[in-house]
Amino acid sequence: GEDVEQSLFLSVREGDSSVINCTYTDSSSTYLYWYKQEPGAGLQLLTYIFSNMDMKQDQRLTVLLNKKDKHLSLRIADTQTGDSAIYFCAENNFNKFYFGSGTKLNVKP
Amino acid sequence: EAGVTQSPTHLIKTRGQQATLRCSPISGHTSVYWYQQALGLGLQFLLWYDEGEERNRGNFPPRFSGRQFPNYSSELNVNALELEDSALYLCASSARQGRAETQYFGPGTRLTVL
Repeated sequence: GEDVEQSLFLSVREGDSSVINCTYTDSSSTYLYWYKQEPGAGLQLLTYIFSNMDMKQDQRLTVLLNKKDKHLSLRIADTQTGDSAIYFCAENNFNKFYFGSGTKLNVKP
Repeated sequence: EAGVTQSPTHLIKTRGQQATLRCSPISGHTSVYWYQQALGLGLQFLLWYDEGEERNRGNFPPRFSGRQFPNYSSELNVNALELEDSALYLCASSARQGRAETQYFGPGTRLTVL
């Protein structure tokens, strides 16, 4: 459960969709999370998904979970400049939380 | 509802000194987690406290220690500071949302070791 991997950077144009990907290794993880970190700030919980779900939608955010491939993605529709931040995925395995190294999303106007 | 608070915001120490960082969880939360975020890196799990007890610790040397008080606030102590201890230290408290154990983070303490 300690190897949560994410690509380091993603650059998109304002108005486009962003897709941030994450892979994890522990199939017994019960919940998977997406957090957003803006410069100089702590992490803000965006959304989470239970491991027996395939998809969860919350306004502009769509989380897809492929449990077979241990792949988690976060889609942000109509990306805005205010979405520029670092996005972390995390897995919860019996109250042990493991975080990826974060994907820096840059939104160009 | 007040969020997780941490103090101080910034802390500057010299090598060999001790640092004490403080965290107050959201009211009603009994679990506190500590993480180290070195520049450009992800979060490394340090410690987990629940109901006053240390429940788990990450792969850090014993000079990283802490405690949780009866009011569920927590303290992280770092002894014999080294230059590589310079990082953002994040505290999180957790609660159950539905069946999910969810963490809420404070703004962090930026520790600089000179």
